[in-house]
Amino acid sequence: QKEVEQDPGPLSVPEGAIVSLNCTYSNSAFQYFMWYRQYSRKGPELLMYTYSSGNKEDGRFTAQVDKSSKYISLFIRDSQPSDSATYLCAMEGDGSYDKVIFGPGTSLSVIP
Amino acid sequence: DTAVSQTPKYLVTQMGNDKSIKCEQNLGHDTMYWYKQDSKKFLKIMFSYNNKELIINETVPNRFSPKSPDKAHLNLHINSLELGDSAVYFCASSQEGGGVSYEQYFGPGTRLTVT
Repeated sequence: QKEVEQDPGPLSVPEGAIVSLNCTYSNSAFQYFMWYRQYSRKGPELLMYTYSSGNKEDGRFTAQVDKSSKYISLFIRDSQPSDSATYLCAMEGDGSYDKVIFGPGTSLSVIP
Repeated sequence: DTAVSQTPKYLVTQMGNDKSIKCEQNLGHDTMYWYKQDSKKFLKIMFSYNNKELIINETVPNRFSPKSPDKAHLNLHINSLELGDSAVYFCASSQEGGGVSYEQYFGPGTRLTVT
């Protein structure tokens, strides 16, 4: 079993739809959970991070972490064509200099 | 003002050649990384340096040698290039907070093609 799994998509939705992106993981030592967005031919950029379980909201984006199920989600409300990108989940333990493990990414297209 | 820059952006070379990729960050971060992203978009860490000291060295062929002359620079030298080395290589940096590096800033990537 891979450490972090993510449906690669591609996912295609109409503008204005609610998008749900998900990752599952196997390592219970992960404490920090991140979502990165990567536009085509660009480097990833951090969208949101959460520590341990719970929800975090930032504008149209909501991140959820359920450590008991080893499952994290990113919700995008009122999706826009500018949200079209690949979304990478990422996770890290809280030990010193633990490496960040990235999921394979989900490709999202928001159609106008 | 570019936070993390890499050169070159594109690199096309033949098998067996030796090449280098340079990375610089102007964010004042202590930690820098090299990642490899394959054709399936899977982003995998190769190396990490903290204040010029190697702290993460994944299972990478020893043809790959990172060098950090100072904490703002991390270069990657690759000897005897192979077809399987074709990928996009990303440099990143972060400011460690108690050893946690959750917010990493990535460069634009170097697209390496080995023919």
